[in-house]
Amino acid sequence: DQQVKQNSPSLSVQEGRISILNCDYTNSMFDYFLWYKKYPAEGPTFLISISSIKDKNEDGRFTVFLNKSAKHLSLHIVPSQPGDSAVYFCAARGISNFGNEKLTFGTGTRLTIIP
Amino acid sequence: NAGVTQTPKFRILKIGQSMTLQCTQDMNHNYMYWYRQDPGMGLKLIYYSVGAGITDKGEVPNGYNVSRSTTEDFPLRLELAAPSQTSVYFCASRQPPINRLRLFSYNSPLHFGNGTRLTVT
Repeated sequence: DQQVKQNSPSLSVQEGRISILNCDYTNSMFDYFLWYKKYPAEGPTFLISISSIKDKNEDGRFTVFLNKSAKHLSLHIVPSQPGDSAVYFCAARGISNFGNEKLTFGTGTRLTIIP
Repeated sequence: NAGVTQTPKFRILKIGQSMTLQCTQDMNHNYMYWYRQDPGMGLKLIYYSVGAGITDKGEVPNGYNVSRSTTEDFPLRLELAAPSQTSVYFCASRQPPINRLRLFSYNSPLHFGNGTRLTVT
């Protein structure tokens, strides 16, 4: 039961253009959504988050949009740079049966920025 | 700061062997986690700990054990390794939320180590 889905395994974008990474979820109880970025041979690093009570959060070149009615979020990177080439994971926060926080990760999208 | 350090980086095990994946953090984080990532899959939580002496199961705990005797260290033990345990293992840590009563805040993201790539043949 994949509650967080990233349907595009890979994406290629020209340098300077906009990169749009998508994520869909099924659990309406998720209250926070996060994006992590991962380079080869390294662990994921936190990029940006958004609360379920907001529809947009911006941090420099990175903006995350949340559409709760569609259970969809997207990460926009403008302008795209070669250093943005990485795997991006979408994650959603819920609460487990024992009251602890639980993160559910998507399968990741590999973004390649073409110089 | 070194952050979260995992050793070894790579390991090949034979079926039935055992090993311990080491994880240590120098950020004085109370919360620590072990995840595994299989090809084409998201990260799955194996075990987590909210402080020294306290551990709990995640989504996929079978075949693993953990201990948390200190704040800094959170080793993951594999007993009787199986091919299904071939994966990349990530350790992570974080501070507890600043205000535990306020669930609608996210002020302490996970800090990950660089991973251990384990192959069981």
